[in-house]
Amino acid sequence: DQQVKQNSPSLSVQEGRISILNCDYTNSMFDYFLWYKKYPAEGPTFLISISSIKDKNEDGRFTVFLNKSAKHLSLHIVPSQPGDSAVYFCAAGRISSGSARQLTFGSGTQLTVLP
Amino acid sequence: DAGVTQSPTHLIKTRGQQVTLRCSPKSGHDTVSWYQQALGQGPQFIFQYYEEEERQRGNFPDRFSGHQFPNYSSELNVNALLLGDSALYLCASSFSRKTGGVRLSEKLFFGSGTQLSVL
Repeated sequence: DQQVKQNSPSLSVQEGRISILNCDYTNSMFDYFLWYKKYPAEGPTFLISISSIKDKNEDGRFTVFLNKSAKHLSLHIVPSQPGDSAVYFCAAGRISSGSARQLTFGSGTQLTVLP
Repeated sequence: DAGVTQSPTHLIKTRGQQVTLRCSPKSGHDTVSWYQQALGQGPQFIFQYYEEEERQRGNFPDRFSGHQFPNYSSELNVNALLLGDSALYLCASSFSRKTGGVRLSEKLFFGSGTQLSVL
C-alpha cells in the first residue's frame, strides 16, 4: 500500500521554464511534507518542506504547494536550470505523533532540464 | 564539518550470510535513522535510534537489527540475507529537540549509502 505516490517517473523541461513535480498521498494523518533531491552516488538532500497548517512555502526558485482536501502537493521550480537535473522524492511524516520523524517516501521523479 | 558518513560504500554477500553496515552522524546530531532503497523505489524506513535505543520501527522483519553507540554512531545488522535484501541502505541523522515533552527531529541529513548486493 503506497501511502505516498509520485505517478510521473520522469519529466523533461527546457532550461528557464517552470518544472512542476507532483505528489499524492493517502494517509490523512500526515501533517508534514518534504521534498528531497538526489544526485547519482549521493544521498538525498533536503530541498523544502511544508506543514499541514500552510498551503504554500517558498524558498528562492522552489515553491511547494499543499492541497489538503485533494491530498496533493506539488513542487514548482522557476526558472529551471540544468543543475536541477536529479531525482526528486516527495516525503511525508507525522510530527503530531509525538515522536521523531519517520518519513514515508514516494518512488521519485527523474527531472531532466535541457539546455 | 563532516556530514553523515557510511561504510562500506559497496558490499557483496551471498544468501544466508550476515552483514553489518556502519554510520557516523553529522556533528551535533544525536538521532540516526536507517532506510532501505530498492532499485526504482523511494527510501523505506527501517528503524530509528535515539539515546542508544530503537525508538521507531518500520515494516521490516527481525532479521534487521541495529545498535547505537554512546558517540551516536550506529550499526545496521542484517541476518540470513535474502536476494531481496539487495538495495541501497541509507543512514540519516538529525538532532532531536524536546518541545513540551514531545521529541521532534529536525530535518534529516542523509549519507551517500551502502550498496548491498546479495548473490
